[in-house]
Amino acid sequence: DTGVSQDPRHKITKRGQNVTFRCDPISEHNRLYWYRQTLGQGPEFLTYFQNEAQLEKSRLLSDRFSAERPKGSFSTLEIQRTEQGDSAMYLCASSFSSMAGAGDTQYFGPGTRLTVL
Amino acid sequence: EDQVTQSPEALRLQEGESSSLNCSYTVSGLRGLFWYRQDPGKGPEFLFTLYSAGEEKEKERLKATLTKKESFLHITAPKPEDSATYLCAATGANSKLTFGKGITLSVRP
Repeated sequence: DTGVSQDPRHKITKRGQNVTFRCDPISEHNRLYWYRQTLGQGPEFLTYFQNEAQLEKSRLLSDRFSAERPKGSFSTLEIQRTEQGDSAMYLCASSFSSMAGAGDTQYFGPGTRLTVL
Repeated sequence: EDQVTQSPEALRLQEGESSSLNCSYTVSGLRGLFWYRQDPGKGPEFLFTLYSAGEEKEKERLKATLTKKESFLHITAPKPEDSATYLCAATGANSKLTFGKGITLSVRP
């Protein structure tokens, strides 16, 4: 059983460039989440999908950020016109939503470390 | 707004010295309280899910407990390999996780 995978693991870019990250969830999971984590902080929620539908976006997700999950499988997170403040670890998680009323257990990938110069 | 607060920020223990990590939460309609372990440069690794006050779960040297306002992660006779950052997170009316800042645990041999 493979867990959540993310690609690339590290990305260095110059300010103003666009970057795209990919996440492959655990195969039977119907929910996929994106979080951002900076040094010394816990992960912060960005957005999540149930199947291919994007159900919630954080106000942290400015209009330079866009996420997609075509066909309800893998997901991409794109950041346009990167800024130095975008430097962080971008984490993807997936879960299977089954029990009504109970919180799903989310399983995380290894993350993509973004450095904006 | 949902909030999760963890204390202390850092904890240094001698090998074999048991202790507890605290997580206080303010979440509307708690639907789950989660503990994760995170090693440097890696993604969080799932440890436990707790759903209701009074619930307890154990795994090796770790035991997680839940009350209506707090959760504790008890570490019994820790070993150096238990050194990591331990994250607490909660989910309420929506599906997102709200995390605390984490507790960095160092266990000296």
